Amino acid sequence: KNEVEQSPQNLTAQEGEFITINCSYSVGISALHWLQQHPGGGIVSLFMLSSGKKKHGRLIATINIQEKHSSLHITASHPRDSAVYICAVMDSNYQLIWGAGTKLIIKP
Amino acid sequence: DAGITQSPRHKVTETGTPVTLRCHQTENHRYMYWYRQDPGHGLRLIHYSYGVKDTDKGEVSDGYSVSRSKTEDFLLTLESATSSQTSVYFCAISTTETLYGYTFGSGTRLTVV
Repeated sequence: KNEVEQSPQNLTAQEGEFITINCSYSVGISALHWLQQHPGGGIVSLFMLSSGKKKHGRLIATINIQEKHSSLHITASHPRDSAVYICAVMDSNYQLIWGAGTKLIIKP
Repeated sequence: DAGITQSPRHKVTETGTPVTLRCHQTENHRYMYWYRQDPGHGLRLIHYSYGVKDTDKGEVSDGYSVSRSKTEDFLLTLESATSSQTSVYFCAISTTETLYGYTFGSGTRLTVV
């Protein structure tokens, strides 16, 4: 069993829909990260969380440490949000454990 | 991001040949990393460096070696390329040993035929 599980693996939605991507982990962590990988391959760090909630524009990331679960939300989704979204956790030994990613397609 | 560049961006090579990928940074960051990305897998760490001449193995280091003779350059070498090393390779840099402040390169797509 992977230590970091993302769901869904693939998600297709219409422009304007509210999007939720989930990340569950089974290890103790010091931080959780959400990253975005564009179709061209570039990877961009979106958020680093250790508790609570962060917001940047239309993106919101939340984490529940007790439940070992994080969600990434996109409000008013747009075709340019189409990308692979990756969750990664830093365990207590500073080892990074990566999820396999969620491929999001937003149709106009 | 102009602070980190990978070269080449694409390469096709034959089985058994040596291949070197280069990661160059202009940020003077201490930590540099090489990852590979394959379908169905998360990013997997190959090797990392925490300073000049200081390197260590990641989870998938077999068949790979690295060198860092200058702060700005981190080289990944496949001594004798195999088809299982066909992948997309990403370099990343960081100011700390945590993921905070990571910057990724644009990737190198390597095909071993």
